[in-house]
Amino acid sequence: GQSLEQPSEVTAVEGAIVQINCTYQTSGFYGLSWYQQHDGGAPTFLSYNALDGLEETGRFSSFLSRSDSYGYLLLQELQMKDSASYFCAVRDQGGFQKLVFGTGTRLLVSP
Amino acid sequence: KAGVTQTPRYLIKTRGQQVTLSCSPISGHRSVSWYQQTPGQGLQFLFEYFSETQRNKGNFPGRFSGRQFSNSRSEMNVSTLELGDSALYLCASSRGGAVVQETQYFGPGTRLLVL
Repeated sequence: GQSLEQPSEVTAVEGAIVQINCTYQTSGFYGLSWYQQHDGGAPTFLSYNALDGLEETGRFSSFLSRSDSYGYLLLQELQMKDSASYFCAVRDQGGFQKLVFGTGTRLLVSP
Repeated sequence: KAGVTQTPRYLIKTRGQQVTLSCSPISGHRSVSWYQQTPGQGLQFLFEYFSETQRNKGNFPGRFSGRQFSNSRSEMNVSTLELGDSALYLCASSRGGAVVQETQYFGPGTRLLVL
């Protein structure tokens, strides 16, 4: 089966940089995705890595190392609105629409 | 383009009852997936429907079922509700093609409380 581990909580201050790690164990690998979810809100897609390396999208970047079964989400120039839960996810080999999510990391950004 | 919509947003039921939740995907999307989110178990895949057929299924008991209509709208049903069914139920839509990097778009969810 698939399992993904993330730290449960990360705290940081406005303007700082924070890294949220994700380690995974999968039978078959089809890329690592990241989602953001604000309290009471829907998960929204942030990024996807299929190959090793860094993908940059504005203040957010995501990194993947397939040999280490490891990825991270990097958030720069933190803003209060970045306080949310962040989930890594992989696709199940049984179907591309079947996402297996990590345990989630709650990010608290303080002034 | 309108996003994924789910109705109702909130629901309170008692044990033993059944419930039906609805999801309308983004226009043009043919795949609808359902997820259950709880503090203890996180986000877990329930099932996926594509062109009115269940294409994938998670590890949930038979009390959880779903269907999809010809306009891609989907419903999920939970029968004989248990206290542990209290959760946020999310649906996600996508075009449904065999494209690994295809993005799923989530609706706001239905929060179900079972008393």
